[in-house]
Amino acid sequence: SAVISQKPSRDICQRGTSLTIQCQVDSQVTMMFWYRQQPGQSLTLIATANQGSEATYESGFVIDKFPISRPNLTFSTLTVSNMSPEDSSIYLCSVVGLEAFFGQGTRLTVV
Amino acid sequence: SQQGEEDPQALSIQEGENATMNCSYKTSINNLQWYRQNSGRGLVHLILIRSNEREKHSGRLRVTLDTSKKSSSLLITASRAADTASYFCATDAAEFGNEKLTFGTGTRLTIIP
Repeated sequence: SAVISQKPSRDICQRGTSLTIQCQVDSQVTMMFWYRQQPGQSLTLIATANQGSEATYESGFVIDKFPISRPNLTFSTLTVSNMSPEDSSIYLCSVVGLEAFFGQGTRLTVV
Repeated sequence: SQQGEEDPQALSIQEGENATMNCSYKTSINNLQWYRQNSGRGLVHLILIRSNEREKHSGRLRVTLDTSKKSSSLLITASRAADTASYFCATDAAEFGNEKLTFGTGTRLTIIP
């Protein structure tokens, strides 16, 4: 199993600003995944973060908007840049063994 | 979109009744998993069923998988107020292995005490 600490748990941000979300895993993992969950919706994969290489982004997500860092095998950050109200969502990080483990999520509200 | 669909979108039942949720997906899979999410927090893994399995049990949970119909069902028996949550199925596309998951649209379950 894996325990993931994600922070902040929630934030209210002004439009045009950026927020960096951090995830710390209690074990070394090759890949970490970042998801967005818009209000009342399911999870959509933003990108896969690999240690030592560029993140792999899914269709509809770009590095300029969601830059990701993966400095080591236990840590990753996701930045939501130049935020607009449409970015208001829950953002979740995840690692996968036989099953997926999730951080507790970051509830972001952009005003 | 490769996202699966779940039905119903929302379900309200009396405590003690059984709850059934269904999931349909689009691609060949290695396995299918069910997760629970309480109040928009992180997801918790409930059960995994492999593509060569047809039924699996875990406590009050029963999962079925029909790969010919690309569908699965989750049955929660003898429901409790604490079962109130959103439930999501998740699949991995066989060609990508089991690292990348695609989540269904989810069922919001409310148990009425």
